[in-house]
Amino acid sequence: EPEVTQTPSHQVTQMGQEVILRCVPISNHLYFYWYRQILGQKVEFLVSFYNNEISEKSEIFDDQFSVERPDGSNFTLKIRSTKLEDSAMYFCASSGPVRETQYFGPGTRLLVL
Amino acid sequence: KNEVEQSPQNLTAQEGEFITINCSYSVGISALHWLQQHPGGGIVSLFMLSSGKKKHGRLIASIYLQEKHSSLHITASHPRDSAVYICAAPLGGTDKLIFGTGTRLQVFP
Repeated sequence: EPEVTQTPSHQVTQMGQEVILRCVPISNHLYFYWYRQILGQKVEFLVSFYNNEISEKSEIFDDQFSVERPDGSNFTLKIRSTKLEDSAMYFCASSGPVRETQYFGPGTRLLVL
Repeated sequence: KNEVEQSPQNLTAQEGEFITINCSYSVGISALHWLQQHPGGGIVSLFMLSSGKKKHGRLIASIYLQEKHSSLHITASHPRDSAVYICAAPLGGTDKLIFGTGTRLQVFP
């Protein structure tokens, strides 16, 4: 069964460093999403992406964040200058043209020291 | 304020029991998602509902649009159903999902 994959599974970085989280959505999907979950808290929407542009973004998704689909398969989330409070699990998801079901990747656990 | 609230926060059950998890929301929505988060953190989409009821195996989800309420039922619960169950609703006309805090279910043999 097709699945969303994410790399790396874990990343530790120093405050102020740039990180890129990578996702490979399901191949025929058109809608892509990033979410985050700070430890012990609820999942939060970050951004949705369709047709090579951002369709929605949350208040969390400030200028430090960017998303890109650099080729036909990858979908990346970049954090330019990480802060301690960026430590969280980051989930990528994708959905097909009907957008009925979002398929989630396994997550990347980011720790900013 | 746009909110999605779930109850109970924690639920324990004996194997075989019928489980009900509730979700209420404060804004009009077009659909509601039920998700399952495993102890390792992975998230699986269970249902997306825009009206009525859906069934998948031992899981049944219902939505009551006028009451702004949804329920997730698990029949004949099993220890492998132990997980956090999350409901999420998109703000009207957008892809922005607002998530509930989740219900942690533990089913004991």
